[in-house]
Amino acid sequence: DVKVTQSSRYLVKRTGEKVFLECVQDMDHENMFWYRQDPGLGLRLIYFSYDVKMKEKGDIPEGYSVSREKKERFSLILESASTNQTSMYLCASSLKQGAGNSPLHFGNGTRLTVT
Amino acid sequence: TQLLEQSPQFLSIQEGENLTVYCNSSSVFSSLQWYRQEPGEGPVLLVTVVTGGEVKKLKRLTFQFGDARKDSSLHITAAQPGDTGLYLCAGAAILVTGGGNKLTFGTGTQLKVEL
Repeated sequence: DVKVTQSSRYLVKRTGEKVFLECVQDMDHENMFWYRQDPGLGLRLIYFSYDVKMKEKGDIPEGYSVSREKKERFSLILESASTNQTSMYLCASSLKQGAGNSPLHFGNGTRLTVT
Repeated sequence: TQLLEQSPQFLSIQEGENLTVYCNSSSVFSSLQWYRQEPGEGPVLLVTVVTGGEVKKLKRLTFQFGDARKDSSLHITAAQPGDTGLYLCAGAAILVTGGGNKLTFGTGTQLKVEL
């Protein structure tokens, strides 16, 4: 089974802090994604990466950056955390397929609270 | 940004009842996926539909993709408490660069099935 591991289940940070969310997958997937999940809004894509050192902005990249130095690891960075970034963050990975049918495999999420 | 609206947002029913969840968009998708998410876990793929008009069955769950590939429905027959969870639809668009899929998630339907 594919395993996507997020380093923290819960995080509490202060406004202005730099925050790192780490994600590791063990199935040699090319694509990796960061989503945030908020009630009534579903999952919104922050950034994705389809190869090492490659990154693309998703729908809500403002206030975030990412790093993918190794294929299995995709990090989400909040340069200066703000209270409106309090959310559940989900990392996912998938195979690189052209048909658009490859499923996403998700981690269990990191619930971040910014005070 | 492509948008996917799900309805209803919340649904609380008794065991044995039938229900339908709708997923609608004004955009065309190459395929559509349905996920279920349980508390404390990431979403897990239930099914992928690819062809307009396609119907897929997964035990008591029936998924349909609209003829124009803009909408989908999930019908559950004789719901059970184990069906409780957050149901998410996700429309796939082929990544412009790198291949693979970029998913746009719906707003989610929280289902509770009581004894």
